[in-house]
Amino acid sequence: DAKTTQPTSMDCAEGRAANLPCNHSTISGNEYVYWYRQIHSQGPQYIIHGLKNNETNEMASLIITEDRKSSTLILPHATLRDTAVYYCIVSPQGAQKLVFGQGTRLTINP
Amino acid sequence: NAGVTQTPKFQVLKTGQSMTLQCAQDMNHNSMYWYRQDPGMGLRLIYYSASEGTTDKGEVPNGYNVSRLNKREFSLRLESAAPSQTSVYFCASYSQGTGNTIYFGEGSWLTVV
Repeated sequence: DAKTTQPTSMDCAEGRAANLPCNHSTISGNEYVYWYRQIHSQGPQYIIHGLKNNETNEMASLIITEDRKSSTLILPHATLRDTAVYYCIVSPQGAQKLVFGQGTRLTINP
Repeated sequence: NAGVTQTPKFQVLKTGQSMTLQCAQDMNHNSMYWYRQDPGMGLRLIYYSASEGTTDKGEVPNGYNVSRLNKREFSLRLESAAPSQTSVYFCASYSQGTGNTIYFGEGSWLTVV
């Protein structure tokens, strides 16, 4: 599975858009980009995933560059409850192994 | 995290003791996983089971054994616990038909003294 690189930590003001970058320069053609988050010590929660096209759901938007070597997760109006560790993962669809990296610790400030 | 249940939630063991962490899912998922998470670290895959009757090693399998008892249940056993196994353990399940979403349990906090 391709490795990802994320900033260790980020801060964002409440109500603003939080943009979390992820580099995955060795991604292969059949690998998807997945985002999960982990609040406190809870189990990780699925956010969104995509292959080539930008994706949006009720939680977030995912912007994938045309060369697919990087992506950005966007939380449009961050709230204090969005404070969490965010994991970017690349893996083939249906892959049996999902390998988590260190993630980005996002802190939303009032 | 409804659908994936782990027991126990908290456990303290003495070095050398054995124990089994239980995990069950009621979503009819094919794949199940055990991860561990040390303080301030990301999740590391211990073992996974792609389907009933099969198991495979993940990143950090040493010191652990697993059993996929049936489609619902996937247990993790520590035969001789060591302080290095002090961690939070997460069970997860997945099936391709679920939109590629992995569902996690609430976690089991294990301390080995």
